[in-house]
Amino acid sequence: DGGITQSPKYLFRKEGQNVTLSCEQNLNHDAMYWYRQDPGQGLRLIYYSQIVNDFQKGDIAEGYSVSREKKESFPLTVTSAQKNPTAFYLCASSLRGASGVSGANVLTFGAGSRLTVL
Amino acid sequence: AQSVTQLDSHVSVSEGTPVLLRCNYSSSYSPSLFWYVQHPNKGLQLLLKYTSAATLVKGINGFEAEFKKSETSFHLTKPSAHMSDAAEYFCVVSSSGSARQLTFGSGTQLTVLP
Repeated sequence: DGGITQSPKYLFRKEGQNVTLSCEQNLNHDAMYWYRQDPGQGLRLIYYSQIVNDFQKGDIAEGYSVSREKKESFPLTVTSAQKNPTAFYLCASSLRGASGVSGANVLTFGAGSRLTVL
Repeated sequence: AQSVTQLDSHVSVSEGTPVLLRCNYSSSYSPSLFWYVQHPNKGLQLLLKYTSAATLVKGINGFEAEFKKSETSFHLTKPSAHMSDAAEYFCVVSSSGSARQLTFGSGTQLTVLP
């Protein structure tokens, strides 16, 4: 079955440590996204990538970094510079995010990773 | 510019009664509108989408939504709630064909009482 796999599901981190969240998809989607979800708020876009070796900052990129070396993979690193990293992180993918491409604005989500900073 | 407002943060219904989750939007262009559902500690799943075809959109699990341009609304309904419908629901607006331009509402938590 095609889908998105995020790991780990739960992660605990001490202050000052970097942590990397994994996201792998086998949907053959070109575009991938990372969102942050906090209680009572909608999803906020951290980073997105429309093609391999290219990615763009979203609305809340500070304290985060990404890479896109393979079409299937889009890992997110939460760095020590992120002031309030405790959150639920969601990875998503879509057809290439070009206007006019049918279905390009429909997202498929992974099950999420919950990060807690101790 | 675009925005979306979910008018209720929490909705409680009894099993077997109708569900109404309200969503108003603002968009400079003809929008695409979506409803997603999220069960606890899970990712979001697409329920339905409106993309300028029929104004009444049918989705999965018996949900439907009606696009009303004059009211700038896209409310989600279901005739009879089931216990498994308990989840958080997100209304989403897009003014372009790109997922980069999606704006999410803050969510409505639906509780279904036995």
